[in-house]
Amino acid sequence: DTEVTQTPKHLVMGMTNKKSLKCEQHMGHRAMYWYKQKAKKPPELMFVYSYEKLSINESVPSRFSPECPNSSLLNLHLHALQPEDSALYLCASSGGLGVYEQYFGPGTRLTVT
Amino acid sequence: KNEVEQSPQNLTAQEGEFITINCSYSVGISALHWLQQHPGGGIVSLFMLSSGKKKHGRLIATINIQEKHSSLHITASHPRDSAVYICAVRRETSGSRLTFGEGTQLTVNP
Repeated sequence: DTEVTQTPKHLVMGMTNKKSLKCEQHMGHRAMYWYKQKAKKPPELMFVYSYEKLSINESVPSRFSPECPNSSLLNLHLHALQPEDSALYLCASSGGLGVYEQYFGPGTRLTVT
Repeated sequence: KNEVEQSPQNLTAQEGEFITINCSYSVGISALHWLQQHPGGGIVSLFMLSSGKKKHGRLIATINIQEKHSSLHITASHPRDSAVYICAVRRETSGSRLTFGEGTQLTVNP
């Protein structure tokens, strides 16, 4: 199984809502990533987890809160987002933090109204 | 100047044509990735290269480390190859971070 799954596929939320994005992989990968992608732009790295510990936070605002409950699961909790946070949120995983291929999920299309 | 430059930005081809997308980078790298993104989002990893050449079906990727240049070739192109192709490098000093090019939008017409 070389699949990374993400739910939901689409999410519309108001600026006062709290929601969560979910990512799952069953490849035994030890590193998991959150990316944000705006239209016609490459992905921007947000967070990296390695062995369930936060390894990289690319100065992401605190209204985005990542969580890695176990080695297969990665969540992104959203609270008090702004319209400019509307984007495609991509999850990826890799064997580790070294030179490994990254496997991407299909993404969650987030719209903040 | 971006550390990873792709050319062309947009490419339109007729079905069956041979296609080349180029990627140049200006930093020392431990690996280079070619990724494919279809409309609607999901990214597929096509190749990870640190030297030489790799082939998978109709796709061929090459890298010249001395010249800091990589190419992605598609033989016998098909409309289903229409997608954005993204070059990304793993810098020697950046651990797991990827530095992405801006992507090449490929459209293959029947």
